[in-house]
Amino acid sequence: QVQLVQSGAEVKKPGASVKVSCKASGYTFTGYYIHWVRQAPGQGLEWMGRINPHSGDTNYAQKFQGRVTMTRDTSISTAFMELNRLRSDDTVVYYCARDVGSSGGNAFDIWGPGTVVTVSS
Amino acid sequence: SYELTQPPSVSVSPGQTASITCSGDKLGDKYTCWYQQKPGQSPVLVIYQDTKRPSGIPERFSGSNSGNTATLTISGTQAIDEADYYCQTWDSSTAVFGGGTKLTVL
Repeated sequence: QVQLVQSGAEVKKPGASVKVSCKASGYTFTGYYIHWVRQAPGQGLEWMGRINPHSGDTNYAQKFQGRVTMTRDTSISTAFMELNRLRSDDTVVYYCARDVGSSGGNAFDIWGPGTVVTVSS
Repeated sequence: SYELTQPPSVSVSPGQTASITCSGDKLGDKYTCWYQQKPGQSPVLVIYQDTKRPSGIPERFSGSNSGNTATLTISGTQAIDEADYYCQTWDSSTAVFGGGTKLTVL
């Protein structure tokens, strides 16, 4: 079945970096954009950016420009999201999600289970 | 930056119709989608392109979008529909989410 499987929980110190993976299965990985969305405890959803797995092209939300890098490895159908210079308010759940269409500007029909990242000294 | 506004909470009695609104400037000119999220779970897409239901989503979920307001309607609301609901659209190549609405079925 179509699914996204994310890497496990991480604990990082302030100023460090974290890299979260998102492995796709059950569909053609290069045919659909992957988005990254995060959610603070008890808060709403926040879009971080997207990657076109076919071309590697990315678009990032302005808030994360310069601090986030999204990449992919098509040989293992996996997308990655790396966030640098971590702060305490980066302690959230990070989700990857598949775009429902091929243009990257649609809804997100398949979501990963989420990866909890805790930033603490 | 573009903003979407949702009521923080909506209450409905079982079997009745629940309506959750999402407001934004000229939102009717854009496509809106809706996600359901239950505690401890990932969001689930329930409506996309204003009115379309993904496979597996019950027919009691429907959507509309006109003017400045998109609406998610749940007909014959069931206890299992109690969840947080988020609207989402696109503006200038950026995905924008509403703040979320907690639907209580009581």
